[in-house]
Amino acid sequence: EAQVTQNPRYLITVTGKKLTVTCSQNMNHEYMSWYRQDPGLGLRQIYYSMNVEVTDKGDVPEGYKVSRKEKRNFPLILESPSPNQTSLYFCASSPTVGQTYEQYFGPGTRLTVT
Amino acid sequence: AQRVTQPEKLLSVFKGAPVELKCNYSYSGSPELFWYVQYSRQRLQLLLRHISRESIKGFTADLNKGETSFHLKKPFAQEEDSAMYYCALFGGSNYKLTFGKGTLLTVNP
Repeated sequence: EAQVTQNPRYLITVTGKKLTVTCSQNMNHEYMSWYRQDPGLGLRQIYYSMNVEVTDKGDVPEGYKVSRKEKRNFPLILESPSPNQTSLYFCASSPTVGQTYEQYFGPGTRLTVT
Repeated sequence: AQRVTQPEKLLSVFKGAPVELKCNYSYSGSPELFWYVQYSRQRLQLLLRHISRESIKGFTADLNKGETSFHLKKPFAQEEDSAMYYCALFGGSNYKLTFGKGTLLTVNP
């Protein structure tokens, strides 16, 4: 089944403890992206990647890192999480760079930082 | 900078009534506009795109460049239309998809 998967789906952690949220797609998509969804703020793009080893900042990249060593995976890394990073995170992918509007979303990861 | 504005956070209508979800945008180039929908406990999914001029689940949206708007409309709302709706703009030159803040539509029986 073609899909975007994220792990973990739920995570509660403490301030400063490094964590990684994984994202994987099995559709051979070029473009991958991370968003955070907050009440009243909608979806905001954190980072995106146009292909392997090509990443760029979105609108809210502070406090996050990403890597794209393989086409299928695009992990989101929080080196030192803070409470303001408590949010619902979505990974998404698109078939090609030129069709980034057609994004396929993962199920979401709900992160709580205490 | 590209921007998408959805002025209504919440919209409540009765079943069978017409519904219009507003979307305005700001973009210097030629925009591509889309509507995404998120049903309760489900993933976001693409609903429709202006370029295809299609009707999905009875919804339509027309791009009005003069008013910089891309409002989503349905003549007769159904209870299953209750969901969060996001308008999105694709900036072709920077490969970014910018979302509005969303409108939560509730269709009452």
